[in-house]
Amino acid sequence: DIQMTQTPSSMPASLGERVTISCRASQGISNYLNWYQQKSDGTIKPLIYYTSNLQSGVPSRFSGSGSGTDYSLTISSLEPEDFAMYYCQQYDNYPWTFGGGTKLELK
Amino acid sequence: QVQLRESGPGLVQPSQTLSLTCTVSGFSLTSHSVHWVRQHSGKSLEWLGRMWSDGRPSYKSAFTSRLSISRDTSKSQVFLKMNSLQTADTGTYYCARGTFTTGGDVMDAWGQGASVTVSS
Repeated sequence: DIQMTQTPSSMPASLGERVTISCRASQGISNYLNWYQQKSDGTIKPLIYYTSNLQSGVPSRFSGSGSGTDYSLTISSLEPEDFAMYYCQQYDNYPWTFGGGTKLELK
Repeated sequence: QVQLRESGPGLVQPSQTLSLTCTVSGFSLTSHSVHWVRQHSGKSLEWLGRMWSDGRPSYKSAFTSRLSISRDTSKSQVFLKMNSLQTADTGTYYCARGTFTTGGDVMDAWGQGASVTVSS
């Protein structure tokens, strides 16, 4: 199985701050990488698909980039509703696998 | 709009079988796949399997011997059955719609999750 390593596991940040979450795959995944957000009530929604494509309805302050084994999610200016868990997920190989998650917390 | 809703027993005895139903609306099971994903408390997400739009299931290899995914298109329902349950299977089980886009294969709508506790 492809291992997905996310860093950091938690990140204190302030409103308006720019933050970047990293995700590294144990082998190249050809940009087959999605990002999801999970709120504290368990609700999960997709943010980014195929490395850098914004899911419909997701604000433009979210962006994704990367290639090969290294990928990142950037939020350009944090809003109150952005404090949540974030997961990367690869779909290059089955089984699909997720990163360990990054908890974005209010500083 | 697109909705998915998981249902099933909240408590299952060890060694018994878990049966969950994902009822969908706003899309057809013959046009989209449906995934099952679980989450242990405080942990990350684990992909379990997928019911393809053509009716074929796919499973994470570690679960092949005890997991079954099926569907009833007339009822817009996808079913998960997992046998020989252990306490390690306790967690929240989600179903999610799969959608293909250019280059993408994404779970673009999720249910609210069904909490399952394995305990005697």
